[in-house]
Amino acid sequence: GAVVSQHPSRVICKSGTSVKIECRSLDFQATTMFWYRQFPKQSLMLMATSNEGSKATYEQGVEKDKFLINHASLTLSTLTVTSAHPEDSSFYICSARPPTKGYTEAFFGQGTRLTVV
Amino acid sequence: AQSVTQLDSQVPVFEEAPVELRCNYSSSVSVYLFWYVQYPNQGLQLLLKYLSGSTLVKGINGFEAEFNKSQTSFHLRKPSVHISDTAEYFCAVIQGGSEKLVFGKGTKLTVNP
Repeated sequence: GAVVSQHPSRVICKSGTSVKIECRSLDFQATTMFWYRQFPKQSLMLMATSNEGSKATYEQGVEKDKFLINHASLTLSTLTVTSAHPEDSSFYICSARPPTKGYTEAFFGQGTRLTVV
Repeated sequence: AQSVTQLDSQVPVFEEAPVELRCNYSSSVSVYLFWYVQYPNQGLQLLLKYLSGSTLVKGINGFEAEFNKSQTSFHLRKPSVHISDTAEYFCAVIQGGSEKLVFGKGTKLTVNP
């Protein structure tokens, strides 16, 4: 089946620094990828839709300058948390839908646990 | 806007007992429905999906779900659970014509020996 790989799985950073999270589709091309945020014991909230070769589409309430998304190739999207603060600590998950599945089945990365200290 | 309601936040059961995790969605138009499982500190794995056709859908690990259009429900069932089924389960929906996957709040299934 399709594989989505996310890196790193865990990261601890100091307040005020930036952190980059990578999401790769390993065996298919993804023109669109999705970034979610999950707070402890809560559901996944869609943050933004990453579009290859164009600007990402952010959900209401998500700061574009805070969460920078770059989708420079058909297999890689990156999420950069800029000037991170403790309240940005969360579990971030990316997903992509392979065209061979009719764009209906989403595959998820392993997630990234971000801790800002 | 599309919404998904998982009525139970936590479901404790004993091993080998049957279980049903409930899910209701809001849309009256065509939808695609999914159940995902999440183990601690991991991403989501697809259990099963309903796109069209038979309303009874069978998935991995012995799970099944039934799409009920009149009740706008897509409840997940397993006749006999194992300790290894302990995880968080998410119901999700894509409304026809949309790209966005909308999740319920999740149900924590705990299987006790």
